[in-house]
Amino acid sequence: KAGVTQTPRYLIKTRGQQVTLSCSPISGHRSVSWYQQTPGQGLQFLFEYFSETQRNKGNFPGRFSGRQFSNSRSEMNVSTLELGDSALYLCASSSGLAGGGETQYFGPGTRLLVL
Amino acid sequence: AQTVTQSQPEMSVQEAETVTLSCTYDTSESDYYLFWYKQPPSRQMILVIRQEAYKQQNATENRFSVNFQKAAKSFSLKISDSQLGDAAMYFCAYRTPWGSGAGSYQLTFGKGTKLSVIP
Repeated sequence: KAGVTQTPRYLIKTRGQQVTLSCSPISGHRSVSWYQQTPGQGLQFLFEYFSETQRNKGNFPGRFSGRQFSNSRSEMNVSTLELGDSALYLCASSSGLAGGGETQYFGPGTRLLVL
Repeated sequence: AQTVTQSQPEMSVQEAETVTLSCTYDTSESDYYLFWYKQPPSRQMILVIRQEAYKQQNATENRFSVNFQKAAKSFSLKISDSQLGDAAMYFCAYRTPWGSGAGSYQLTFGKGTKLSVIP
């Protein structure tokens, strides 16, 4: 099975711009979660989508949004970029079914630099 | 809110020796799962081992084992026969089942421990 893929791998944007990141989960997985990783805050949960519905959301401003398509692929959008949005954005996929012990498989991440 | 604390920002171990990474967590839930993830320089997060809170037996995966103390809310990772490829950031993480309340299903991570392996 192919792993979780994220595109693009690297992005450079300027303040005020918007950006869209993409995540393709492992085939058959219906849950996609997004995490932001920074040196200062560590790994923080952004949101989770399951069967095209947002099931859970972390404590991030409304500039961060996402969606999931019928094929389980997910996109994350950040509008009006700020310098502090520079980070590694990781997505993780899992079956999303009942229980919390299932493995979440992570993608390689998208590194976003905001200038 | 659940919190996960890793008190050792950095650790080092000689190749072939054993090292233990510490993790404590705070929760009022009774049903939850604990994980150790490894993040090498490539940044790809890889699951090392997981533990179900309702299981008293400590999980083991080859050279990796945990010491799970539920009452103490402690979840340490022991790496035996350390290898150069074990050098990475190690993250302890916590998750409750979906539907168990606010913050359910999301992984809550500690700040990580950077492990260096000395040849």
